[in-house]
Amino acid sequence: DGGITQSPKYLFRKEGQNVTLSCEQNLNHDAMYWYRQDPGQGLRLIYYSQIVNDFQKGDIAEGYSVSREKKESFPLTVTSAQKNPTAFYLCASNKGWATEAFFGQGTRLTVV
Amino acid sequence: RKEVEQDPGPFNVPEGATVAFNCTYSNSASQSFFWYRQDCRKEPKLLMSVYSSGNEDGRFTAQLNRASQYISLLIRDSKLSDSATYLCVVMNSGGYQKVTFGTGTKLQVIP
Repeated sequence: DGGITQSPKYLFRKEGQNVTLSCEQNLNHDAMYWYRQDPGQGLRLIYYSQIVNDFQKGDIAEGYSVSREKKESFPLTVTSAQKNPTAFYLCASNKGWATEAFFGQGTRLTVV
Repeated sequence: RKEVEQDPGPFNVPEGATVAFNCTYSNSASQSFFWYRQDCRKEPKLLMSVYSSGNEDGRFTAQLNRASQYISLLIRDSKLSDSATYLCVVMNSGGYQKVTFGTGTKLQVIP
């Protein structure tokens, strides 16, 4: 079955450590996105990528980094520079222009 | 002004009621619009696309008003299972496609 997979579902890290969240899709989608959602809040765009080896900053990119070395994969690294990293992180993808986006099940990151 | 704005609610409505949500967007060049549903602690899932001519799917009707730059979602005969947060999504035009979500409107259907 095609889909978009995020792992792990829950992640705990100590303050000051970098952590990488995985996002893989087998939908043959060109575009991929990372969002952050805080309790009771909407989705805020972190980074997005239209094609391999290219990505753009979203509204809250500071303290995050991404790579897009393969079409299927768009990992997100939460660095120690991110002041409030505890949140629900959602990865999405879509085929291209004007098409609906599909989401992974999300990763809940807790930094202690 | 935010790119996409929604009334956060909550909208508390009795079963069987009709409820409507609006979502305004600031970029007049926006091309595509969607409504998503998000249940508590889950990922958003596509509810319906919003076409220029409007579209209907059972009890749900979505409309687009380009002149006033808003989209709407109407839910008729509300069910308890409709309780969720409804997110509007706007895709812009231009070289890089950007998918922007509203903050969501929370709906609670009451028995």
